[in-house]
Order: sequence, then C-alpha cells, then structure tokens
Amino acid sequence: QSVLTQPPSASGTPGQRVTISCSGGSSNIGSNTISWYRQLPGTAPRLLIHTDDRRPSGVPDRFSGSKSGTSASLAISGLQSEDAADYFCAAWDDGLNGVIFGGGTKVTVL
Amino acid sequence: QVQLQESGPGLVKPSETLSLTCTVSGGSVSGGGAFWSWIRQPPGKELEWIGYIDYSGNTKYSPTLKSRVTISVDTSKSQFSLSLTSVTAADTAVYYCARQLWFRSCRGPTCSVGSWFDPWGQGTLVIASS
Repeated sequence: QSVLTQPPSASGTPGQRVTISCSGGSSNIGSNTISWYRQLPGTAPRLLIHTDDRRPSGVPDRFSGSKSGTSASLAISGLQSEDAADYFCAAWDDGLNGVIFGGGTKVTVL
Repeated sequence: QVQLQESGPGLVKPSETLSLTCTVSGGSVSGGGAFWSWIRQPPGKELEWIGYIDYSGNTKYSPTLKSRVTISVDTSKSQFSLSLTSVTAADTAVYYCARQLWFRSCRGPTCSVGSWFDPWGQGTLVIASS
C-alpha cells in the first residue's frame, strides 16, 4: 500500500478540466515538496511538475500543481486525447529518508 | 540535453545478482547539484525508489532494499551502476535510471526537502526466473 494515496482513475471529455489528488502525511507532503509525472503506456515517466507547482520548460501550461497541508493536486485543463496516461506523485519522506511514490492515477479521455 | 540509457541482462536466476548500468550522455555524472538514481516498477504496480549516488560516491538507499543494494559510479565512463543481490521473483520489474535533483531549504529550525527526477532512462525489464 502506497504512503501517498491517489485515486486509481479519473476521466474527462476533451476540453474539460481534470484534477488528480495525492494525499500523504506530515513526514512527506506536509513538510517537503511534491513532484508529478506522466507515464504513457510502455514508456518512461516524464516530469510534469516539481517543487509543488513549478513547470519545467517544455511542459504545457495546461498542467498545474498545487499543495495544501498534507495533500496536493495536479490539474489538467483543456484535456486532450494525448493526456490519456498514468500520473504519479512523489515526495521525499523524512521517516523513510528517501523518495516515496503514489500508486498512480489512470486518466481516460472519453 | 542529458540523456540516460540502461543496459544489462534481461533475465536473472533466483538467488543470483542483478547488475545494470546507466550511461549518461549530453552531460556528466561528475557535475554537482544532482544525484543519480535507480527506480523500479514491478509489472502493473507503482514506482519504487531504490537509491542514489552522487559524483563523489556518496550513496543513499531505500531501507527496504538497503541490505541487498549497491550503487556505484564510474565518472571516467559517465556511468553509474546498480547491483541487487539474492534476487527473487519479487524483484521482477522495469528498472529505470534517472537524474535526481535534490535540495534542502531551511527557515530557522524548519527544513523542507525538494526532490524530483528528470530525465529518466527508457527503462529495462529484468525478469527473475529460472
């Protein structure tokens, strides 16, 4: 069972806004920053967001991150068919003294 | 731009040692400010961080794997490697190498760690089976 909890699935129609949550605790999200990754089938994860809400160059501004307390969210606005993928959150955990990942959320574009 | 590529056997017998190498191109493992990490993903399951090494050879491992893991670096070849001993079927996974950015920011007694992985290698499937 993951220390970071994500809903297993989310869906939306093209153009809609989809939000994915990531819930943790005081030793990880509550005290450290979070990152988000997208994984297309059969490919390596790609960084979407780091340091809670920072977008690397090349990531569309349709992707945005936020954090409050021990929970974080990734929002995808203007949903596109290419956004159908698995999305993972990750954070440093002070108790583990290492990185932990969420279980992943599969986004379906209807 | 920095690119990473994993290499190594795709099949390992139970009780033997899994060995993988990650070659870094477009950059150097000798540069400061980054760690070089291994992450794995069992089929249909979530990602699991294995550990990292920095350019000077300092390492940190996941407590759950620490007794079986060694990560090493060869700066002359711009490579870093993973060794996992006494493998079982539970070690069957896609193994990724990645550059890990890491910082610690403190305000008074309160510190926050920022950590993320970018870029990732394409991953290599390792099956532990006889």
